[in-house]
Amino acid sequence: GEDVEQSLFLSVREGDSSVINCTYTDSSSTYLYWYKQEPGAGLQLLTYIFSNMDMKQDQRLTVLLNKKDKHLSLRIADTQTGDSAIYFCVEYRAAGNKLTFGGGTRVLVKP
Amino acid sequence: NAGVTQTPKFQVLKTGQSMTLQCAQDMNHEYMSWYRQDPGMGLRLIHYSVGAGITDQGEVPNGYNVSRSTTEDFPLRLLSAAPSQTSVYFCASSYQEGYEQYFGPGTRLTVT
Repeated sequence: GEDVEQSLFLSVREGDSSVINCTYTDSSSTYLYWYKQEPGAGLQLLTYIFSNMDMKQDQRLTVLLNKKDKHLSLRIADTQTGDSAIYFCVEYRAAGNKLTFGGGTRVLVKP
Repeated sequence: NAGVTQTPKFQVLKTGQSMTLQCAQDMNHEYMSWYRQDPGMGLRLIHYSVGAGITDQGEVPNGYNVSRSTTEDFPLRLLSAAPSQTSVYFCASSYQEGYEQYFGPGTRLTVT
């Protein structure tokens, strides 16, 4: 199968860390992306990781990739109310030029 | 740059009507695509284009047509609207396939 799965919902208090998890099934994926969708808007690329990397850090964002378990996570440090959005895990395979989107995780940041 | 623009933002159609959703980008991107977003299902690819004059089907192409006569424009046509096509439609473009995709703001379509 070529599924990308994410939990539906995450609630977190402002200032805490958020961790959004994603699992995928295709071991030949080349890149893995995290996109953010704010209410009523399109998707924006947050960060990405090459499949030959284990970790990538970008300011408050940390992406961890476990290729053996096909598990990807996005950690947001010091979560702010502006981080409330839907986060999509997206897998890209160069073979077949295919992008597969997860169903999205809705993150709600409470003050 | 305006990025990726879509019109209209909202549309209500009756079953059987046809219409065209417009998409344009000013970044000289070769790759353009149309997705539909339904609750809990992420985005599903309808059609895509790797350059002017070249289009191909995605995951859910039935009931939709596309054309790419210029690099900038990639309209999506609904031939005979059905309630199952009620969704939010996103157009996206990228430099090439696999590169970061830039999304338009979306068109919310309701078919009654």
